[in-house]
Amino acid sequence: DAKTTQPPSMDCAEGRAANLPCNHSTISGNEYVYWYRQIHSQGPQYIIHGLKNNETNEMASLIITEDRKSSTLILPHATLRDTAVYYCIVRSPEGDMRFGAGTRLTVKP
Amino acid sequence: ETGVTQTPRHLVMGMTNKKSLKCEQHLGHNAMYWYKQSAKKPLELMFVYSLEERVENNSVPSRFSPECPNSSHLFLHLHTLQPEDSALYLCASSQIPSGSYEQYFGPGTRLTVT
Repeated sequence: DAKTTQPPSMDCAEGRAANLPCNHSTISGNEYVYWYRQIHSQGPQYIIHGLKNNETNEMASLIITEDRKSSTLILPHATLRDTAVYYCIVRSPEGDMRFGAGTRLTVKP
Repeated sequence: ETGVTQTPRHLVMGMTNKKSLKCEQHLGHNAMYWYKQSAKKPLELMFVYSLEERVENNSVPSRFSPECPNSSHLFLHLHTLQPEDSALYLCASSQIPSGSYEQYFGPGTRLTVT
């Protein structure tokens, strides 16, 4: 499975959009981009995933570049409860979930 | 109960003890996983069960012994652990690994080995 690169930390003002980048330049054609988040000492929570097209659900939007080498998770109106570690994971349909260090997002009042 | 549950939520055990962690999923999934999360380290995949058969064991020491009696239950039996085994142990479930799917995680068991 391809490796991902994320910034170690980011801040965001409450009510503003949080844009979390992820680089996955070695992604293969059948590999999906998944996003999870983990609030302190809880189990990771699934957010969204995509293959080629942009995706949106009730939690977030996922923007994948046309060459698929990077993606951005967008939380449209961040709240204090969105403070967490966000993981970007690239995996094949048969592959395992390989978590990296993620991005620690801090939403500030 | 809904989702993925884990018991106990917290466990303190000595190095000579034997204990078991339990995971139960109420999602109708047929694959289950054990992960370990040590302090300041990424989640590490330990075991994968698909249709109650172990399909992956990522070089986990034999002092950790998984058991999957049916598709809804997963256990992790612990014996003669070391202090460095202290960590958050997370269980997850999903549909069989094919196509696009997501894993659902339980709240974890915080294990402290003294």
